[in-house]
Amino acid sequence: DTAVSQTPKYLVTQMGNDKSIKCEQNLGHDTMYWYKQDSKKFLKIMFSYNNKELIINETVPNRFSPKSPDKAHLNLHINSLELGDSAVYFCASSPEAGGTDTQYFGPGTRLTVL
Amino acid sequence: EDKVVQSPLSLVVHEGDTVTLNCSYEVTNFRSLLWYKQEKKAPTFLFMLTSSGIEKKSGRLSSILDKKELFSILNITATQTGDSAVYLCAVDDSGGSNYKLTFGKGTLLTVNP
Repeated sequence: DTAVSQTPKYLVTQMGNDKSIKCEQNLGHDTMYWYKQDSKKFLKIMFSYNNKELIINETVPNRFSPKSPDKAHLNLHINSLELGDSAVYFCASSPEAGGTDTQYFGPGTRLTVL
Repeated sequence: EDKVVQSPLSLVVHEGDTVTLNCSYEVTNFRSLLWYKQEKKAPTFLFMLTSSGIEKKSGRLSSILDKKELFSILNITATQTGDSAVYLCAVDDSGGSNYKLTFGKGTLLTVNP
């Protein structure tokens, strides 16, 4: 069974569009995350979220917003896409609210903005 | 069981001091080691290390990995009060197609004026 899944796997879109990436985890974890991996393969955290608190990396533009319909899902909405948003986006989850334990990642979504 | 151990757990220094933070790991399928700085908000990425002996530098911060001895150090020179934070070490030990990050407990650094 897939522990952390993301859809779509690939997303190609035009500048200015609004898009969403979905993430689901079936591990029963309390905390979920979104990471961005840039062209140099650096993995940078964007958000962490549990049922009590959303923590935002202050460098993330407010065009990016996480939405959590329930504990097992954390979707990423991106408005007014820009060329620099092209990257691979990873969703992850961990058991505890503190988050400093093992994080399990989804397979990633490669976003290409044209 | 994979584990990541950071030392010291906490450290108090004066501005201008140089500090060295340690991270040792025992994992099965090492792929990379990452350092993060965490203040009140989400962790901020500092470095990703994959190769032994190659120092990564960013301003007053530098880091190096020893894959033979299974540890990494994070150096901060000429510390400032703004360096006060928890420094987290994480190891990607997935060995496969998906990431799996195991974090250490962190080192709480306090820099006093």
